[in-house]
Amino acid sequence: RKEVEQDPGPFNVPEGATVAFNCTYSNSASQSFFWYRQDCRKEPKLLMSVYSSGNEDGRFTAQLNRASQYISLLIRDSKLSDSATYLCVVNQAGTALIFGKGTTLSVSS
Amino acid sequence: GAVVSQHPSRVICKSGTSVKIECRSLDFQATTMFWYRQFPKQSLMLMATSNEGSKATYEQGVEKDKFLINHASLTLSTLTVTSAHPEDSSFYICSARDSQGSDTQYFGPGTRLTVL
Repeated sequence: RKEVEQDPGPFNVPEGATVAFNCTYSNSASQSFFWYRQDCRKEPKLLMSVYSSGNEDGRFTAQLNRASQYISLLIRDSKLSDSATYLCVVNQAGTALIFGKGTTLSVSS
Repeated sequence: GAVVSQHPSRVICKSGTSVKIECRSLDFQATTMFWYRQFPKQSLMLMATSNEGSKATYEQGVEKDKFLINHASLTLSTLTVTSAHPEDSSFYICSARDSQGSDTQYFGPGTRLTVL
């Protein structure tokens, strides 16, 4: 079983749509959770950390369910510029980040 | 914000040559840096953890004699791909952990290696 699993997509949505990505992780000792965004042929960039209480940053909302070992990302009012691959990432303090394979989003006009 | 640089950004080499990639933390000290590799349409896979002043820790399946890592200072780690082969062609990305900060990891821009 992979440590971090994501639906690879692609998700093809029109501008303005709401889209949700899900992720599960296998290591119950994981302590930190993130969503990264990676554009084609670029390094990943931190989109947001994910907290147990859930957190929101503008159009982006992240949720964490430790009991189910499940993480989600909701994007509202999708923009063309949101087209990218979204990586679910977990780690334990001081260790390397463990990446999911990524979910590809394509937003069209 | 914190910045990590990588050099070169892109390299094309012949099979059998060695390639050195540098990873530098520009405005913070990093006792620990991580080297990842990403093949097309795949996730980033951790290759090794680089610790300043000590030997690197390699992930299972990564040959330590082929991927030489040196972390000689608090701001520089190097990865040398020795006797590169076409199957080593990949996107190599380093990340550096701010030793005195919030344990946040910052990524370099990556190095795209193509071995002919």
